[in-house]
Amino acid sequence: EAQVTQNPRYLITVTGKKLTVTCSQNMNHEYMSWYRQDPGLGLRQIYYSMNVEVTDKGDVPEGYKVSRKEKRNFPLILESPSPNQTSLYFCASSLGQGFFEQYFGPGTRLTVT
Amino acid sequence: KNEVEQSPQNLTAQEGEFITINCSYSVGISALHWLQQHPGGGIVSLFMLSSGKKKHGRLIATINIQEKHSSLHITASHPRDSAVYICAVYIQGAQKLVFGQGTRLTINP
Repeated sequence: EAQVTQNPRYLITVTGKKLTVTCSQNMNHEYMSWYRQDPGLGLRQIYYSMNVEVTDKGDVPEGYKVSRKEKRNFPLILESPSPNQTSLYFCASSLGQGFFEQYFGPGTRLTVT
Repeated sequence: KNEVEQSPQNLTAQEGEFITINCSYSVGISALHWLQQHPGGGIVSLFMLSSGKKKHGRLIATINIQEKHSSLHITASHPRDSAVYICAVYIQGAQKLVFGQGTRLTINP
């Protein structure tokens, strides 16, 4: 089954404790991206990757890092989480940019206290 | 001003009603997506449009490139259609999707 998986689905952590949210897709997609969703603000792009070892900042990259060492994986790293990073996070993948169907992961609800 | 504006923000209707959700954008785009976010949070792609009209079951999506406007219609609405519907546009040359804030649809039995 074609899918994007994210782990963990729920995470409560404390300020400053490094964490990684994993994202993996099994569709051999080249394009992957991370979004955060906040009430009243909609989905906003954090980082995206057009292929292995090719990543770039989205609209709200501050406080986040990513890597793309393998085509299928695109982890999101918060090296020193802060309460303003409490949000619902989605990973997405597609064959390319623009006119390609977007596949979203199930979401990760992160709370930073 | 947001590059993508959806209306209405909230919509409540009775089962069987014809539903219209609107999306207006202010930039040049190469594609427009309609997405559905279920109450549990998952997001699925409904349509991709670059011109004209598409239909899938009871859902119809249209786009008018000249007017920078798209509509999502649901015929014979059902409580299981209750969800948040999100419009997203792929901005020419920007390599990213920009999302509207979503329309929360509630269909009462």
